[in-house]
Amino acid sequence: DAGVIQSPRHEVTEMGQEVTLRCKPISGHNSLFWYRQTMMRGLELLIYFNNNVPIDDSGMPEDRFSAKMPNASFSTLKIQPSEPRDSAVYFCASSRQDENGYTFGSGTRLTVV
Amino acid sequence: AQSVTQLDSHVSVSEGTPVLLRCNYSSSYSPSLFWYVQHPNKGLQLLLKYTSAATLVKGINGFEAEFKKSETSFHLTKPSAHMSDAAEYFCAVSGGYNKLIFGAGTRLAVHP
Repeated sequence: DAGVIQSPRHEVTEMGQEVTLRCKPISGHNSLFWYRQTMMRGLELLIYFNNNVPIDDSGMPEDRFSAKMPNASFSTLKIQPSEPRDSAVYFCASSRQDENGYTFGSGTRLTVV
Repeated sequence: AQSVTQLDSHVSVSEGTPVLLRCNYSSSYSPSLFWYVQHPNKGLQLLLKYTSAATLVKGINGFEAEFKKSETSFHLTKPSAHMSDAAEYFCAVSGGYNKLIFGAGTRLAVHP
């Protein structure tokens, strides 16, 4: 089991550019979560999916953020246009619906300059 | 609504001494509770979880936590700290759809 796989590990981009973060959940897991971690705000849940359907996106900061899960093995989080305040570590996590707790990926460290 | 409060933002102990990281929870129903650890520049790793079975839960690396409903607490302990335990620790409570609500974290420093 390769775990939850996120790419890229690090991303540095200029303000105004589009950024796409990618996540491959553990095979057989049907819930997927995107979190953002900053020093100021800690861990924030952005959006989560169940069986590829977005359940709650109330944590998405604004319309510049969007997330998709086209199939059970892939999800993206897109920021367009990016701003310096989006700089953070973005984590993806997955779980089985009948299992408590979930497995995190290693995160993507995003720096917007 | 579910929430957790980690009572200490920083804890400092000497190697070989006990560790206590405190967590209080609020939940409108019988909760599932978790402790995760995050080492620098790493993702979060599950230490242990409570899911309405035994109230004393044993996890990895010698950590354990006790669920106390009367005190709405789920404190994390370890009898003897090791240098490798230095990390940030997060308490979490379950919401719907397996959603986890995390506390602000406690940074544990271990001194020689």
